[in-house]
Amino acid sequence: DSGVTQTPKHLITATGQRVTLRCSPRSGDLSVYWYQQSLDQGLQFLIQYYNGEERAKGNILERFSAQQFPDLHSELNLSSLELGDSALYFCASSATGTSGEQFFGPGTRLTVL
Amino acid sequence: AQSVSQHNHHVILSEAASLELGCNYSYGGTVNLFWYVQYPGQHLQLLLKYFSGDPLVKGIKGFEAEFIKSKFSFNLRKPSVQWSDTAEYFCAVMARGSTLGRLYFGRGTQLTVWP
Repeated sequence: DSGVTQTPKHLITATGQRVTLRCSPRSGDLSVYWYQQSLDQGLQFLIQYYNGEERAKGNILERFSAQQFPDLHSELNLSSLELGDSALYFCASSATGTSGEQFFGPGTRLTVL
Repeated sequence: AQSVSQHNHHVILSEAASLELGCNYSYGGTVNLFWYVQYPGQHLQLLLKYFSGDPLVKGIKGFEAEFIKSKFSFNLRKPSVQWSDTAEYFCAVMARGSTLGRLYFGRGTQLTVWP
């Protein structure tokens, strides 16, 4: 157990819908990262937050957005879902948000039908 | 931009065989290097990491990796694999000293160990 929690574990929805994935970082970690794992693209970095502020963006679609709340949990919002958005979404946290080790959550498996 | 290449997509071994998984990266600056493992249905777990110092690093479960700067490589090794090592292995790179902490991952190598 890494100490990073993610809910829900599984999510099945239809095209065009909107979903919210939730992540709670390890106690004391200020930085949260979101990654997408798909068969096509492998593990891709989406976005990073540090202490409530967006720090970096990767290959994140405009239909996707995220935020980090004052209690440091983070939510990833995916809207206008397409079949190709089906993937495993991982959240990771680290203490500093720079070059340290990242701890990964169990992931949310999203299936878009 | 940084990129990571893992040479083997799928490796199949018998128990007690030796393992070496290749990883090469491209980046002009100094990096931190990681190997993560993903057991079936589970999350990514850190096997080992290299930040600085001795280029031969030892991780959990008998794994080790060697950083060869001149070859931009960070290959993962284990002298004798077990059935329980069946998993997917990911090499990852991070720019050291960056204000950003993003990891760049390779595509992964699926290791299957037959008992």
